[in-house]
Amino acid sequence: GDSVTQMEGPVTLSEEAFLTINCTYTATGYPSLFWYVQYPGEGLQLLLKATKADDKGSNKGFEATYRKETTSFHLEKGSVQVSDSAVYFCALSAPQGAQKLVFGQGTRLTINP
Amino acid sequence: GAVVSQHPSRVICKSGTSVKIECRSLDFQATTMFWYRQFPKQSLMLMATSNEGSKATYEQGVEKDKFLINHASLTLSTLTVTSAHPEDSSFYICSARDVGAETGLAGASEQYFGPGTRLTVT
Repeated sequence: GDSVTQMEGPVTLSEEAFLTINCTYTATGYPSLFWYVQYPGEGLQLLLKATKADDKGSNKGFEATYRKETTSFHLEKGSVQVSDSAVYFCALSAPQGAQKLVFGQGTRLTINP
Repeated sequence: GAVVSQHPSRVICKSGTSVKIECRSLDFQATTMFWYRQFPKQSLMLMATSNEGSKATYEQGVEKDKFLINHASLTLSTLTVTSAHPEDSSFYICSARDVGAETGLAGASEQYFGPGTRLTVT
């Protein structure tokens, strides 16, 4: 079945550092890919998404490119801030059926000032 | 923006009792809502897909008689954990898909998540 694998955390960086969180997926067909963020005490929020190969999703300085040849959707940010501290989830949604989301295990990110 | 609420946010109950969790879409209509379970430091696992006016679709391994789902209106879905036991203690999260949102390609429609309900069974 469909699955998503993220790099294990926790990840701790200093403010203004470059961030990469790796995400790879296994799916039949052409899924849509998502990054969700969960800030402390809050629900999941959609951070960005891409629906087809070579699409780049971007939001709040974060970017991820849908790479079908490597089945990856790595999350990047050039200069992180303390406010980016959260748990990040990579997810996919199959193109058919109920459009269920399949999540990776989540990566906890802590940014120190 | 689209908001999904859950009630209660936190509940403690005794083993053998039943607990109802509500999920509401506050400013949009949702024909489909999803129920997830999240264990500590783990990912969200889909339990079931709730469709307004019809029976829920449960994922493999989820007991439908234990986790009763009712989607009575376009803005409300409920999850009832019947005869709860300590192993049912978890963080339960719902999400809702906006029927009015333009989806583009299938699979790209956004799900809006509730803040979650922490269930502790003693």
